[in-house]
Amino acid sequence: GAVVSQHPSWVICKSGTSVKIECRSLDFQATTMFWYRQFPKQSLMLMATSNEGSKATYEQGVEKDKFLINHASLTLSTLTVTSAHPEDSSFYICSGTGATSGSLNEQYFGPGTRLTVT
Amino acid sequence: GENVEQHPSTLSVQEGDSAVIKCTYSDSASNYFPWYKQELGKRPQLIIDIRSNVGEKKDQRIAVTLNKTAKHFSLHITETQPEDSAVYFCAAGVNYGGSQGNLIFGKGTKLSVKP
Repeated sequence: GAVVSQHPSWVICKSGTSVKIECRSLDFQATTMFWYRQFPKQSLMLMATSNEGSKATYEQGVEKDKFLINHASLTLSTLTVTSAHPEDSSFYICSGTGATSGSLNEQYFGPGTRLTVT
Repeated sequence: GENVEQHPSTLSVQEGDSAVIKCTYSDSASNYFPWYKQELGKRPQLIIDIRSNVGEKKDQRIAVTLNKTAKHFSLHITETQPEDSAVYFCAAGVNYGGSQGNLIFGKGTKLSVKP
């Protein structure tokens, strides 16, 4: 299947700083990428959907000015957590889908980034 | 919008027994229903999926059934093994032919298979 990578795999930052997480589709063109947040022992909560070259669509309750998403190319999307606070500590997972991924249906997930804000 | 309910939240079975996890969805426009297995700290892995034009799909020990009228779908694992222990998530979404729309996930079922 198609491969999605994320970087970094984990990050610790101080409260008030910003953190950028990268999501790359390695062997397919991800026309759409999704960003999820997963708190311990909870489900994946969709934060936003981004289509290459367009502004991201955010889910209700997700602050677009705090979670900046850029999807400038068909293989890269970034999530920047601005002015991070301890409550932003979570597991952030991206996924990608596209017509060239080998499957028209499946979302391919990255390995996740564990963010800890101290 | 779509709402996905998943039951049970935890499930414990003996090795060799069957396990069934059920999900309901609310949006009749949803036409794609994947199931994911997630081990602790790792990414969700697709284990099986079904489209709305199919009532049942099977892959070795795993099967999924879909009842569009009742808006529910179920995951069936037979001959469970300890390595099946994980959290399982159902999801519902819309596939537009060439692209995948949003997936809304259930809250997950923690399956424990006791040897």
